[in-house]
Amino acid sequence: AQTVTQSQPEMSVQEAETVTLSCTYDTSENNYYLFWYKQPPSRQMILVIRQEAYKQQNATENRFSVNFQKAAKSFSLKISDSQLGDTAMYFCAFQETSGSRLTFGEGTQLTVNP
Amino acid sequence: KAGVTQTPRYLIKTRGQQVTLSCSPISGHRSVSWYQQTPGQGLQFLFEYFSETQRNKGNFPGRFSGRQFSNSRSEMNVSTLELGDSALYLCATKREGTSNYGYTFGSGTRLTVV
Repeated sequence: AQTVTQSQPEMSVQEAETVTLSCTYDTSENNYYLFWYKQPPSRQMILVIRQEAYKQQNATENRFSVNFQKAAKSFSLKISDSQLGDTAMYFCAFQETSGSRLTFGEGTQLTVNP
Repeated sequence: KAGVTQTPRYLIKTRGQQVTLSCSPISGHRSVSWYQQTPGQGLQFLFEYFSETQRNKGNFPGRFSGRQFSNSRSEMNVSTLELGDSALYLCATKREGTSNYGYTFGSGTRLTVV
């Protein structure tokens, strides 16, 4: 079974600064998907960024980028120019290529301070 | 376009009762998954439905069940409620296709069992 670990329960950053959230996972699969979701107090999980394991190029979405290290089974999220609206719980998630279920990490509560 | 709609938003039930939660996916999304979110256990996969058939199931007791209708709307049912069933129940939907763009989540139903 796959496992996802987020070792930082809480993090804080000053507005406009850069922060990196860590995620490691364990799997015997070669092809899979990785995601970062954010969950603000509104409770809705919002997709931040996705990475396909067979693509070596790191995914980027505006201020959000990942550092995907397949051999190390690491998938960190970098948020540049942090904004107050980035305050949320961030979840790292794994999905097999052939599967449908998402396996989530424990989450990291990010607070952006003014 | 309309997002994933979950009803009701909040629910309070008594131990031993049963409850039904509803999820209406985004138009064109035929895969519907359900997750339970609790502070202690995090996000756990309940089951996934596609074309009115359960395609995948998590490790939950038989008190948890679901179904999907021909219009892709899904319901989940919990019978003989226990205090430990208090949780945020999230529905996630996606379009089937050659690329996995990730799931879109609803805002959840907060169930409290007293």
